[in-house]
Amino acid sequence: SAVISQKPSRDICQRGTSLTIQCQVDSQVTMMFWYRQQPGQSLTLIATANQGSEATYESGFVIDKFPISRPNLTFSTLTVSNMSPEDSSIYLCSVEGDNTGWANEQFFGPGTRLTVL
Amino acid sequence: GENVEQHPSTLSVQEGDSAVIKCTYSDSASNYFPWYKQELGKRPQLIIDIRSNVGEKKDQRIAVTLNKTAKHFSLHITETQPEDSAVYFCAASRGSTLGRLYFGRGTQLTVWP
Repeated sequence: SAVISQKPSRDICQRGTSLTIQCQVDSQVTMMFWYRQQPGQSLTLIATANQGSEATYESGFVIDKFPISRPNLTFSTLTVSNMSPEDSSIYLCSVEGDNTGWANEQFFGPGTRLTVL
Repeated sequence: GENVEQHPSTLSVQEGDSAVIKCTYSDSASNYFPWYKQELGKRPQLIIDIRSNVGEKKDQRIAVTLNKTAKHFSLHITETQPEDSAVYFCAASRGSTLGRLYFGRGTQLTVWP
């Protein structure tokens, strides 16, 4: 499986500010995803980060609030913009294998715990 | 889109007993069904998965069964141990065509020593 890292691991931010979360993978992957997980809840997909094109957002999530970059096949960023306390959550990136070795299997990064005051 | 329902939401068992978690899905085109285990404060970890071309898959103490006709799949854990205590999530996907996973709401499994 891929080795996935995220930065920062946690942060405490003031409302109205923005935070950019980085996701780095140790191998090239086609599909990268960004999820949000609120305390005690399931995983909610925010968007699919496509290399070389715009991200694909799920219903309820918009690019102005959660801009995503995917400059290459091993890296992606998610920005949480103009934060409010409701954005307090864990944000996780995940990657899907691209070849027969682990196609369709998704592996998660360690997550970024965000608290907005 | 796909809708994945998971039951029960909480499950308590005695060490050594078996635990079963069930999920149903709505999209007949779904063909990939992974299970994730998430310990407190940790990332979800893929523990087993099954594809629609098989009915059952086993890996030591865990097994997953799939009934495509009824659109449900289940996770079976035998000889449970306290370290099995975690939240378990089922998911469904159409596979490589779309890639995205649809998750169930999770089951908090507690194994009492």
